[in-house]
Amino acid sequence: KNEVEQSPQNLTAQEGEFITINCSYSVGISALHWLQQHPGGGIVSLFMLSSGKKKHGRLIATINIQEKHSSLHITASHPRDSAVYICAVNENTDKLIFGTGTRLQVFP
Amino acid sequence: EPEVTQTPSHQVTQMGQEVILRCVPISNHLYFYWYRQILGQKVEFLVSFYNNEISEKSEIFDDQFSVERPDGSNFTLKIRSTKLEDSAMYFCASSYRVANQPQHFGDGTRLSIL
Repeated sequence: KNEVEQSPQNLTAQEGEFITINCSYSVGISALHWLQQHPGGGIVSLFMLSSGKKKHGRLIATINIQEKHSSLHITASHPRDSAVYICAVNENTDKLIFGTGTRLQVFP
Repeated sequence: EPEVTQTPSHQVTQMGQEVILRCVPISNHLYFYWYRQILGQKVEFLVSFYNNEISEKSEIFDDQFSVERPDGSNFTLKIRSTKLEDSAMYFCASSYRVANQPQHFGDGTRLSIL
């Protein structure tokens, strides 16, 4: 069974700072997802990746399959980035196995 | 942009009662999922559904749970006899296909069992 670990659990930053959130998993996967959960509870998919790197606006996600590790970076962070960021993986089926999330607060 | 919609947003039910949570997936999606998140815990997979049948279910998804796609648009989760520990946020998700496609989530239904 895959164990998905995230670090840090909580993160505070000043507006404009560069943010990194890490995710590691224990068993080989077919894909890794980064999701954002808003304070109201809704979940939004940010990235799905199986190799390399993806970029969308100020967000960058990377994955190293050999090391079973992924990072989510936020450049020029803004208070509206405050949310819980969740890493989740697919093994050999379409069900998602979730990490515990990283709570990010960005202060002006 | 099309989205997954869930109703109700909050459901309060007495223990032992049946509850039905409703979801309208994105219209051209073929794969449907239910997940739940107990307060303060991580999101957990309950069940996946494709071609009008369950394709995978977790240990949580016991005989008290069932899913149905009663028509071409709705996807429902029924809990037959609710327990206090069923209190959680329930998320519906859908995807167009399995490989290389993200899952799109609804905003969730908060289920409170009294």
